[in-house]
Amino acid sequence: VQLVESGGGLVQPGKSLKLSCSASGFTFSSYGMHWIRQAPGKGLDWVAYISSSSGTVYADAVKGRFTISRDNAKNTLYLQLNSLKSEDTAIYYCATTVYWGQGVMVTVSS
Amino acid sequence: DIQMTQSPSVLSASVGDRVTLNCKASQNINKYLNWYQQKLGEAPKLLIYNTNNLQTGIPSRFSGSGSGTDYTLTISSLQPEDVATYFCFQHNSWPLTFGSGTKLEIK
Repeated sequence: VQLVESGGGLVQPGKSLKLSCSASGFTFSSYGMHWIRQAPGKGLDWVAYISSSSGTVYADAVKGRFTISRDNAKNTLYLQLNSLKSEDTAIYYCATTVYWGQGVMVTVSS
Repeated sequence: DIQMTQSPSVLSASVGDRVTLNCKASQNINKYLNWYQQKLGEAPKLLIYNTNNLQTGIPSRFSGSGSGTDYTLTISSLQPEDVATYFCFQHNSWPLTFGSGTKLEIK
């Protein structure tokens, strides 16, 4: 099983970014997937979930700003981050509850 | 939202010690409780799922127990490679929530 995130970087407050997570080694279309983040030196913070049938759930802190989606044909999970705030600065992990990627850093700063 | 409170926040123990980490939920989570280990600079790794099920490949010195609101991760004989931060995670109800972690150190 491998999960590889990409798309992170430095972005100004208020701007947007789209993260991707490429999955391999398992039947991606059969699994619900999560995005979980970790601010520098802090704990883990669950962000969003998408079921195998594309139903979605969000943490209150990101609801209305972030959108989780998936493309089962490409074995890829996405997270669209809009209206970014400094407090969104974190490493973003894609994960099943068992397997995690290595994470991608998002820094929101002017 | 369900709040997850871990204790202690830092634990220092000797190699070979039996170590117990605690996690308390603000309401019943029906044993939907996972434990993750995170070493410095790495992604979290699943140790225990649904309270007491050892994930494949995890050493048997790790075990979990609990019910209702109170859960425990036990390391039967602490090893140097167990230095890490341990997080509990409830997946009983939305939003899913993590504890703030217990940092485990070697004396």
